[in-house]
Amino acid sequence: GAVVSQHPSWVICKSGTSVKIECRSLDFQATTMFWYRQFPKQSLMLMATSNEGSKATYEQGVEKDKFLINHASLTLSTLTVTSAHPEDSSFYICSARDGGTPNTEAFFGQGTRLTVV
Amino acid sequence: GQQLNQSPQSMFIQEGEDVSMNCTSSSIFNTWLWYKQDPGEGPVLLIALYKAGELTSNGRLTAQFGITRKDSFLNISASIPSDVGIYFCAGQLSRGRGNKLTFGTGTQLKVEL
Repeated sequence: GAVVSQHPSWVICKSGTSVKIECRSLDFQATTMFWYRQFPKQSLMLMATSNEGSKATYEQGVEKDKFLINHASLTLSTLTVTSAHPEDSSFYICSARDGGTPNTEAFFGQGTRLTVV
Repeated sequence: GQQLNQSPQSMFIQEGEDVSMNCTSSSIFNTWLWYKQDPGEGPVLLIALYKAGELTSNGRLTAQFGITRKDSFLNISASIPSDVGIYFCAGQLSRGRGNKLTFGTGTQLKVEL
């Protein structure tokens, strides 16, 4: 089946630094990728929809200048958490749909655990 | 953002028992999906439902798309230890590349040997 890979799986960074998370579709082209955030014991909340070659669409309440999304190719989207603070510590998950196959569901990556200290 | 309400929030059952959980929404969805998430992992799709009233099975799992399009349930028969995890429902307005998922609050399943 289709595979979506995230890197890194976990990262610890100092407060005030920036962290980049990659999301790759390994065996299909994804014109659209989605970024979610999940706090402990909570559900997945959509942060933004990433469209290849255009600006991402952010959900209400998500700061676009803090969570920079770049979808520069059909197989890669990146999420950069800028000037990270402890409250940004969370589990970040991406998903991607196969753009070449209509009406298929998105596959999820394995997630990235971000801890800001 | 909007969330779908799932019940129960958690359940602790004996191995071999059947499990039932449901998901309700205040608004209509045209697609219902059920996912399982293991600790530290992303969600994995279990069952997808595309038509009101549809009943679909995947092995020991059965899910139904409510006729009002505002609810769905998931049944797991003869539970086994590897069924442990968090189950999420998700609603989608339509199938398509850019369409977003709205996730439920989750049901945590624990299986006692």
